[in-house]
Amino acid sequence: SQQGEEDPQALSIQEGENATMNCSYKTSINNLQWYRQNSGRGLVHLILIRSNEREKHSGRLRVTLDTSKKSSSLLITASRAADTASYFCATDVQGAQKLVFGQGTRLTINP
Amino acid sequence: GAVVSQHPSWVICKSGTSVKIECRSLDFQATTMFWYRQFPKQSLMLMATSNEGSKATYEQGVEKDKFLINHASLTLSTLTVTSAHPEDSSFYICSASPFRGGLTGELFFGEGSRLTVL
Repeated sequence: SQQGEEDPQALSIQEGENATMNCSYKTSINNLQWYRQNSGRGLVHLILIRSNEREKHSGRLRVTLDTSKKSSSLLITASRAADTASYFCATDVQGAQKLVFGQGTRLTINP
Repeated sequence: GAVVSQHPSWVICKSGTSVKIECRSLDFQATTMFWYRQFPKQSLMLMATSNEGSKATYEQGVEKDKFLINHASLTLSTLTVTSAHPEDSSFYICSASPFRGGLTGELFFGEGSRLTVL
């Protein structure tokens, strides 16, 4: 079963604006990862945050993790049309030896 | 970064035939590979985990006789959809990890294979 729930399911914003996506999960994790998927393509890893980390940055990406609330957020700043894609959170669940993916957020950046 | 090649990218077959999808790690040894199925506008559903040289571990509800997985080398895993039917039509994606057993980092994904069964 899918552990991660993401919201919103779909997000449409203007180019240049910031996009925030949220992910909630249910069990203890080793780390949480965010992936991007362009339509009809494979997934590309964006960023990994470990369970003992609270915030991480990579370029225009900022990820937060709150293990007490079992939630994470992905912020994309200064969005570009090329950021249009689906974004998935994935949890490395303790003891499971596999990633469990959330439902994803479909992000559309309007030029 | 590490590259995973998946082939074919799309395939159309007749009902009742079998289809093989290959997943290769091009520049690293993949001790563990994962196979997923994805329906339109939905998330990835893990089908099975395979470790090189051992039998695949299938997720609950996935028929192992229907979806045969072979991981005979450190760079190649194959998924064979046997006696395919229209309901098997889907997007199949593989991913690879250089770490056996537990995950300690990112996964590297293939580009996916779109299967259409007529």
